Parts: sequence; C-alpha cells; structure tokens
Amino acid sequence: QVTLRESGPALVKPTQTLTLTCTFSGFSLSTSGMCVSWIRQPPGKALEWLALIDWDDDKYYSTSLKTRLTISKDTSKNQVVLTMTNMDPVDTATYYCARMSYSSGIDYWGQGTLVTVSS
Amino acid sequence: QSVLTQPPSVSGAPWQRVTISCTGSSSNIGAGYDVHWYQQLPGTAPKLLIYGNNNRPSGVPDRFSGSKSGTSASLAITGLQAEDEADYYCQSYESSLTVFGGGTKLTVL
Repeated sequence: QVTLRESGPALVKPTQTLTLTCTFSGFSLSTSGMCVSWIRQPPGKALEWLALIDWDDDKYYSTSLKTRLTISKDTSKNQVVLTMTNMDPVDTATYYCARMSYSSGIDYWGQGTLVTVSS
Repeated sequence: QSVLTQPPSVSGAPWQRVTISCTGSSSNIGAGYDVHWYQQLPGTAPKLLIYGNNNRPSGVPDRFSGSKSGTSASLAITGLQAEDEADYYCQSYESSLTVFGGGTKLTVL
C-alpha cells in the first residue's frame, strides 16, 4: 500500500535552513504522471501548497516562497527532500508530503510533521 | 489570502443538505483545470473526497458530490451526519502551480 512519512527537526531557529525528508513506499516517482508535493498548515489555518516534483524531475514552487524553497528527489531511495531557507516564526506549521497527480489530486498524505520556529 | 475563495463556515442539521462553494478565476478553475476536494477531521491529515470535479475515490459515500461551472465549483453533502463535521478544502491549478481554497468549517448542528 502507499505510505508517505515526513522526517526532520521539530524545532528550528530563526534564519536557519529547514530540511525535510519525505520517505515513501508503494509507488515509484519514475512512473509517468506521478508527483510528490509539499504542503504546510500553520496551526488553526488553511493548507498552503509549497512545492512539487514530478516523474520527469520537473520542479514547481509556490510563487510567494520560491526564492526560499528547493525540492529534489532520490528515486533509488524513494525520497523527496524539501529545503526552506531563512526560517521565520511565521513558518511554524505542520508540513505534509503527499502523492499527487494532476488528474487525480492528492490521493495520499503523510501524517505531517510539526515544525516550530523559535529562538 | 488564498487563491480560491471558500466561505469560512457552513452549518446544517442532521440529514440536511449543505453546499460549499469554491470560487476561482479565469486563471485557475475558469481555465479548465480540475477541482479536487479534501476533508480534514480535527488533528488528522486531509483526505481526498472528490477528484476531477465530480469523482469519488473508493470508499467515499455517495452523499458527497462535486460540480464545476465556469470559474466556480461546489461540494454538496446530503444526509448530513455528525461525522461530517470537519474542515473542507478545494484545490485546483494555475498553470503548473497548485492552489488551495481557504477552507470551510462544517458544523453539524
């Protein structure tokens, strides 16, 4: 079955760089049409899409955050990595990785990892 | 400020029908991009409820349905049940970018 799991630090300091890893199973990111996205949700607020990487290694970023984000994949390890630079307390959120396709939406989500930005 | 606009809250009594709107623009929904809907129960990750405007994944009750017209989409829930109390999000695209609505909190009275 398809599973995704986020891992990374629970606490980062302002100005630091956040690195999150999504480890997945049950599908291959080499399969045509397959994508993995990162999405975040500040406490009590709405979902915000951050970045996507697809089977062809194309990468797309939120317009408002693109200067701070980098997404990459290691197909052999079934992992997708997101880095976000210059972290700020407003970046405190639960970060989700998820499998998606443009036609079928986001059909599998990780459980999410809460990242708190504080000194 | 979310790209797609949803009402912050809706409510209904058990067994009633409620609808949640999702308003976009000619850059996203109106450009022909599909709309997907998600249900998020408290403390859990979102779950895909409707994909491709009006398709239900396996296991989603047929009380949930979606529609799309012009620059808007709607989620309808019939036969409202207490377990439907949750946050609901619409999602679409602008070119290759993914956009979400601001979410709607459904309260079952």
